[in-house]
Amino acid sequence: DTAVSQTPKYLVTQMGNDKSIKCEQNLGHDTMYWYKQDSKKFLKIMFSYNNKELIINETVPNRFSPKSPDKAHLNLHINSLELGDSAVYFCASSQGLGNTEAFFGQGTRLTVV
Amino acid sequence: DQQVKQNSPSLSVQEGRISILNCDYTNSMFDYFLWYKKYPAEGPTFLISISSIKDKNEDGRFTVFLNKSAKHLSLHIVPSQPGDSAVYFCAVRVGGSARQLTFGSGTQLTVLP
Repeated sequence: DTAVSQTPKYLVTQMGNDKSIKCEQNLGHDTMYWYKQDSKKFLKIMFSYNNKELIINETVPNRFSPKSPDKAHLNLHINSLELGDSAVYFCASSQGLGNTEAFFGQGTRLTVV
Repeated sequence: DQQVKQNSPSLSVQEGRISILNCDYTNSMFDYFLWYKKYPAEGPTFLISISSIKDKNEDGRFTVFLNKSAKHLSLHIVPSQPGDSAVYFCAVRVGGSARQLTFGSGTQLTVLP
């Protein structure tokens, strides 16, 4: 009965590979997000997505792409992985874009070797 | 270009005493200020927020203070309990159509029994 769940929890992969992280929310929210927690521990927004629009943070490389098959899912695809992509990635959802109360998944620790 | 700064990476407090976590921000355009709490191996969870038109908001043991002239936000926890030990993230929301949350780097609070 987890509200926001993401899989896998840990992901170790080689440079140059393509990988996906899945996210599902059962809260009925209309907006989902992907955040990246970097080595300095800042949580930085990568994407905001609801059924109307996708907002991309301009600093995110186009190797990263969100895919939403339906309102309850927002998966993150990463092509040609680089060492600098190693981080913890958090999925989140909220009712309404930019709602102050967002619900986060437990995170996926991605390690690129 | 860090818009939100939490200058203390860690804080230790004795159980029963007051914990004060601080946050500084740079932009006067934020409309909401928030605190999120994060336990290990979990995603951040919303704790408390304050609108830019207020200077204090209280919820049980947690009180958030906003000093707009100093561009400073603080979270007071009274009395502190061992279960409060976690990483606390300060966050701000930009108003307008974008309405995204920007987080600080977090402060690790340890409440000693």
